[in-house]
Amino acid sequence: DVKVTQSSRYLVKRTGEKVFLECVQDMDHENMFWYRQDPGLGLRLIYFSYDVKMKEKGDIPEGYSVSREKKERFSLILESASTNQTSMYLCASSLGPGTDTQYFGPGTRLTVL
Amino acid sequence: AQRVTQPEKLLSVFKGAPVELKCNYSYSGSPELFWYVQYSRQRLQLLLRHISRESIKGFTADLNKGETSFHLKKPFAQEEDSAMYYCALRFNSGGSNYKLTFGKGTLLTVNP
Repeated sequence: DVKVTQSSRYLVKRTGEKVFLECVQDMDHENMFWYRQDPGLGLRLIYFSYDVKMKEKGDIPEGYSVSREKKERFSLILESASTNQTSMYLCASSLGPGTDTQYFGPGTRLTVL
Repeated sequence: AQRVTQPEKLLSVFKGAPVELKCNYSYSGSPELFWYVQYSRQRLQLLLRHISRESIKGFTADLNKGETSFHLKKPFAQEEDSAMYYCALRFNSGGSNYKLTFGKGTLLTVNP
């Protein structure tokens, strides 16, 4: 059974703080993704990674960066948090190139004050 | 550019009534479509994929290339079907890599 875990379910930060969101998968998946989920906007892709140390921008990368030093871990970094980054953040993984099913983590609800 | 449209933000039906969640897409390549579902306080999960032509929890979806649609249907809705439903389009983002683009979602409420 695929397990994708995220480091926090709820997080409250202040404007200007550096924020780290961690995601770990235990099924040796090659692909990992970060989305944000907002009411009325659906899921929007922030960044994704197809391999260790490899990353590509998604649809809304501004204000975010990522790190993938190990295959199982994909981190999302908010260099200087802003109130418009208050959102639900979802991490997902999939097996490898060409695979279709993405497995999602439980989400981190981030509030930036 | 690829796009997925779910025209209904909210859909409310009574238990036992038929339900149809609409999804339209725009994509110049060969489309592969999926429905994902998120029940209350649960993680987002795959419901079904068009390529499998399967029925999951009584739901079916047929890809209609002429109408560029992939509507999700169930003949008799149950209260446990209440959830947020997302339609997603898989597309090639370069080489052998693929991404999903999601619609904005439809919140289905099945009333007793």
